[in-house]
Amino acid sequence: DTAVSQTPKYLVTQMGNDKSIKCEQNLGHDTMYWYKQDSKKFLKIMFSYNNKELIINETVPNRFSPKSPDKAHLNLHINSLELGDSAVYFCASSHLDRRTEAFFGQGTRLTVV
Amino acid sequence: AQSVTQLGSHVSVSEGALVLLRCNYSSSVPPYLFWYVQYPNQGLQLLLKYTTGATLVKGINGFEAEFKKSETSFHLTKPSAHMSDAAEYFCAVSEERNQFYFGTGTSLTVIP
Repeated sequence: DTAVSQTPKYLVTQMGNDKSIKCEQNLGHDTMYWYKQDSKKFLKIMFSYNNKELIINETVPNRFSPKSPDKAHLNLHINSLELGDSAVYFCASSHLDRRTEAFFGQGTRLTVV
Repeated sequence: AQSVTQLGSHVSVSEGALVLLRCNYSSSVPPYLFWYVQYPNQGLQLLLKYTTGATLVKGINGFEAEFKKSETSFHLTKPSAHMSDAAEYFCAVSEERNQFYFGTGTSLTVIP
């Protein structure tokens, strides 16, 4: 049973294209996140949704648009991809309680060529 | 302001030796602290966490960490390193709205 699953695992695309990454969790959590991990392994939060509502929106280009159709899903759409968008993107979920940990998906390695 | 500092981006230990990975934090609210491990090409997995209560917390795979408020530290230790411990380790603090701030990570190499 996969707790947080994201697809695809690998994504290679050309500059200027639009792509989406999907994420689903079956843990019954009410909060979901997108994190970006750069080539130096640094993890930075991009977005957070609680019960389908955006609660965290860090300084991210507006080419990145999250969508949460329900509290078990949080998708990430990226327009006009740039070379600098190449990274590993992680979806995560948790309860909205600071004492609880986040569960992470396996990551999507995005390569823009 | 909140931040997490991990001293040493790379740590090498011999198999069977003590593992010590350092983490210092700053937080504007009572800190809730976490250690995660990331194996190559995988997501992050929780090792252990401190919320309240006992300041020495035990986690999976023989790891433990001690919360020291006076030193604002949450260092991760394991008495005897195993080859399978080679991975990237992240310390994190959770803030309001359950926003996790991660340290820059420490890559652990275990030498046979």
